[in-house]
This record gives sequence, C-alpha cells and structure tokens, in this order.
Amino acid sequence: QKEVEQDPGPLSVPEGAIVSLNCTYSNSAFQYFMWYRQYSRKGPELLMYTYSSGNKEDGRFTAQVDKSSKYISLFIRDSQPSDSATYLCAMSGVTTDSWGKLQFGAGTQVVVTP
Amino acid sequence: DTGVSQNPRHKITKRGQNVTFRCDPISEHNRLYWYRQTLGQGPEFLTYFQNEAQLEKSRLLSDRFSAERPKGSFSTLEIQRTEQGDSAMYLCASSLERRGNTEAFFGQGTRLTVV
Repeated sequence: QKEVEQDPGPLSVPEGAIVSLNCTYSNSAFQYFMWYRQYSRKGPELLMYTYSSGNKEDGRFTAQVDKSSKYISLFIRDSQPSDSATYLCAMSGVTTDSWGKLQFGAGTQVVVTP
Repeated sequence: DTGVSQNPRHKITKRGQNVTFRCDPISEHNRLYWYRQTLGQGPEFLTYFQNEAQLEKSRLLSDRFSAERPKGSFSTLEIQRTEQGDSAMYLCASSLERRGNTEAFFGQGTRLTVV
C-alpha cells in the first residue's frame, strides 16, 4: 500500500463550479502538506503549503488538513478552464533529513469545461 | 529567469548509451533534489544534496545512476547503460533548508526516452 493515496480521476467539472480534491495518507510523521499543479509535460508548480492541521486560503484556493483522519483536501472556487491540469498532493516529515523530501500522491487530473 | 532550470528539456537515446542531465537551482537554495516521474504517477524521490554533500539516495537509484553537485551549485545526474525502463521525466527541485521550511520548487524537467 502506498503511503499517499490520491484518486487519479479524471474529474470533470463545468466552469464556475467548485473543484474538490483530496488525499489520504498512512504515515503519521507527515507534518507538512503541499498541493502542486502540473500542466502536461511541465514541472509541478507549488500552489499551497500548510503545516499540521487546519485551513489555509489563498485567493480561489483553500487547503484543509485533518491529521486525526490523515486526510487533506484542496478546494478550487470559481473554476476556470485554465485550472485544467493534474493536481498532486505531497507531504513530508519534520526531521531535518525529511524536510523537502516529498512523498507524492499519483495526481488527480482535473478538466474544467467551458 | 530566477527559477530552477533543467537542461536538456528532452533527450532521446539508444539503449546502452550514457546520458547526463543538468540542474541549476534557485541561487540561494542550499538543498537540491532529484525526482523521477513516470506517466500517470507522482514524482518519486531519487536523491538529495545539502550544499555539495549527497545526504540520501533512494533504493530506486541503481548503481547505473550517479549524481553530483560540485561546489554546492548546479547538479548533474548521469545514467549509464540506459535501459528502456529509465524512460521518464527527471525533475529537479531546490529549497532553502531552515526549520519549518519544506517549500520545494521544481524545474520543468528533462524528459528521457530510451529507444
């Protein structure tokens, strides 16, 4: 079983809808949680970064972390066709050697239709 | 461009040949990571450097793979005697190591095709 599980999709939504993405994980040592956006044949782009549990909002993006359930979410409000991409969750631990050494989910492909 | 830079962007090679990729991190970042990504999967950790020291290598990194980061600046990843299974996107990321910071920024990757 993988340490980080993420539904690969594709997830298709109409323009303007809320996109809801999530990941589950098994390693309780994970404390840092990130969401990356990756367009086809490009490198991952960091969208959101959170530490431990709680919510974080940045523009149309909201990230939530529930450590008790080992479950993280990303919500995209007022989705646009330009949001069509693969969204990767990633996480790491708190020890010096684990910072930045990320464990990724497989990515969810999102398609926003006009 | 002050982001992470990777060269070449694409590489096609014949099986058995050696290939070398280069990564130039964000200038003030002291950590540099290499990841590999295959189609439909998330990136998988290969190795990382803090300054010029290579601190960890994944089990995924066979003896045919070697990485260097001379003088703690750019890094190279070499694959010897390439195999078709080495076909993947090779991603480099960098970060500034300090407590509480795990923000890693990725380059655009080098896509390797072994024929």
